[in-house]
Amino acid sequence: GQNIDQPTEMTATEGAIVQINCTYQTSGFNGLFWYQQHAGEAPTFLSYNVLDGLEEKGRFSSFLSRSKGYSYLLLKELQMKDSASYLCAVRDGAGNNRKLIWGLGTSLAVNP
Amino acid sequence: DARVTQTPRHKVTEMGQEVTMRCQPILGHNTVFWYRQTMMQGLELLAYFRNRAPLDDSGMPKDRFSAEMPDATLATLKIQPSEPRDSAVYFCASGLTAGSFYNEQFFGPGTRLTVL
Repeated sequence: GQNIDQPTEMTATEGAIVQINCTYQTSGFNGLFWYQQHAGEAPTFLSYNVLDGLEEKGRFSSFLSRSKGYSYLLLKELQMKDSASYLCAVRDGAGNNRKLIWGLGTSLAVNP
Repeated sequence: DARVTQTPRHKVTEMGQEVTMRCQPILGHNTVFWYRQTMMQGLELLAYFRNRAPLDDSGMPKDRFSAEMPDATLATLKIQPSEPRDSAVYFCASGLTAGSFYNEQFFGPGTRLTVL
């Protein structure tokens, strides 16, 4: 079956570093996405990994290990505005049937 | 500033009524997705289109839901008849798929549906 697991909630302090993990079991793999969703708003794209390793983009980095079915999103120098839900999604399938399988999201609360 | 637009933003209706939600994808995008989001189930893919052709609607209850793209600038999701369990936020997203390369999806603001 298709399964994506991430922690439900996390709490961190402003200025700190937080790592949000995601493990997946899917029938196929064609890339992993991280999205950010603030309360009451639409998801917005953060990062994309298709090869093993770390992708860095400013304060955010995303890591992928395909052999372990594992990814993490690393947020550095946390700010209050980073309080949001972080969604992990795996692109499954091939050819024309490429769709994203979504995790339920990790709700991150950044405290002062 | 290209954005996906959705109407209406909020809809309250009574059980049994028809609900139609509309989406205008970003100009030039060839892939459109309809999602439903609830606290319990998260984001669920209902249907998606590529070049206006439906590719996958396996996530959609066929007896009451239907999705169409009458033209490249409009996608619709219809529920008839609506039920209280359909209450959720419905997102439309668009993207550009070219060959084997797949870009990220851009989400609209969503339609918050409440069925009483």
